[in-house]
Amino acid sequence: ETGVTQTPRHLVMGMTNKKSLKCEQHLGHNAMYWYKQSAKKPLELMFVYNFKEQTENNSVPSRFSPECPNSSHLFLHLHTLQPEDSALYLCASSQALGGRDEKLFFGSGTQLSVL
Amino acid sequence: GNSVTQMEGPVTLSEEAFLTINCTYTATGYPSLFWYVQYPGEGLQLLLKATKADDKGSNKGFEATYRKETTSFHLEKGSVQVSDSAVYFCALSPQAGTALIFGKGTTLSVSS
Repeated sequence: ETGVTQTPRHLVMGMTNKKSLKCEQHLGHNAMYWYKQSAKKPLELMFVYNFKEQTENNSVPSRFSPECPNSSHLFLHLHTLQPEDSALYLCASSQALGGRDEKLFFGSGTQLSVL
Repeated sequence: GNSVTQMEGPVTLSEEAFLTINCTYTATGYPSLFWYVQYPGEGLQLLLKATKADDKGSNKGFEATYRKETTSFHLEKGSVQVSDSAVYFCALSPQAGTALIFGKGTTLSVSS
C-alpha cells in the first residue's frame, strides 16, 4: 500500500464513450502526475500538477483532459479515445515537484482497453 | 538535454545468479539518480537512490553507485531470487521544479 489509490483498476470502453479515471492520495503531497505505460514503450509523463496548478502537458491529445480540484485528488477525463490509447495509466504523487530527494509514490494503475 | 538510457531486456537469470542492469544518463548540472521497481500488477516503487557523485544507494540486497565520470548508475545484486522478477526503471531528477525522467525499463525474469 503506497497511499495512492486509483480507481477503477480495469476499464473497457468504446471509442465514443466518456469515462474518468480517479486518483486519490492522503499523504499530504503537493505534486501529482499522470503517466501512460504502454507495452514495449517508455513510461510517458502526461501531466503534472503542482499545488493544483498544471505545470506540464507533454503534447497530450485533447481527448485526455486532466482535472485537479485539490491537492489530494486528480482525475483524467477520457472521451473519443482510440485503440492505441489502450495502456496502463499510472498516477503518482510527491511531496514537492523535483529536487534532490524527490520520491514518487505510485498507484497500482488503471488498465484501460479501448475497443 | 536530460535523458536516461537503460539496457534492453528482458534479462533472464537463474536463482542465485549475479545481476547487473546498466543505466547511463545525460544531464546538465548535478542530478539525483534513482532506481524504481514495478512488480507484476502494481505501480512503481522506489528501490534506492543516490543524490551526489560516489554515493552508493542500497536496499533489499540491491546496490547502485553514482559514477559521475562515466555518467552511470548501474544496478547490481549478488544473488537474485524468484521474487525479484519485475521491471526495473532508472530515473533522474534534474533539478527542483522538474519531474523525474525515466528510462524505458528493463524486465528481469528469475527462474528457480
